[in-house]
Amino acid sequence: DIQMTQSPSSLSASVGDRVTITCRASQDIRDDLGWYQQKPGKAPERLIYAASSLQSGVPSRFSGSGSGTEFTLTISSLQPEDFAAYYCLQNNRYPLTFGGGTNVEIQ
Amino acid sequence: QLQLQESGPGLVKPSETLSLSCTVSGGSINSASYYWAWIRQPPGKGLEWIGNIYYSGNTYYNPSLKSRVTISVDTSRKQFFLKLNSVTAADTAVYYCARQSISARVAGLDYWGQGTLVTVSS
Repeated sequence: DIQMTQSPSSLSASVGDRVTITCRASQDIRDDLGWYQQKPGKAPERLIYAASSLQSGVPSRFSGSGSGTEFTLTISSLQPEDFAAYYCLQNNRYPLTFGGGTNVEIQ
Repeated sequence: QLQLQESGPGLVKPSETLSLSCTVSGGSINSASYYWAWIRQPPGKGLEWIGNIYYSGNTYYNPSLKSRVTISVDTSRKQFFLKLNSVTAADTAVYYCARQSISARVAGLDYWGQGTLVTVSS
């Protein structure tokens, strides 16, 4: 299985902050990576696909970058509605595997 | 707008079989561009991909669960199904169904159901 190591596991930030979350794959997954946001009691929602493509309807403050084994999700200016958990997901090889998640909390 | 809805018992006894269904509406389950997937999330923990199925019946399973999992599809009813046998408390989780796009450049889990909590307890 491809292991996805996500960091940090949690972070505290303020509204307006720039936030960066990283996922590292245990082997080359090209750009077969998505980023998901999950709010409490809700299903995950995709923000980014193919490592850097913004899902329709997602605010442009979200961006993704990387390829191969290193990937980054950036929120350029954190908004109150962005406090949530974030997960990466590799879809390069079966079984699909998720990162361990990052909880973004209010500082 | 595509919608997916999970349904099934919320309580299952240890050693029994967990059975869930997912109903697809607002789109076709027969499309060549998609698989249909199950994912689970234990309370307070991360996400685990269980497996998926194509409209033709082709499946992929997570090796960690493969010996206990069966996923099937009924295209006439626009439903797909999850069976997990010999359950224990470790199988207590919110179970999600989702659409998995396999088209180049947009691949991944793009639509999710709301999830259903299944508790394994006597």
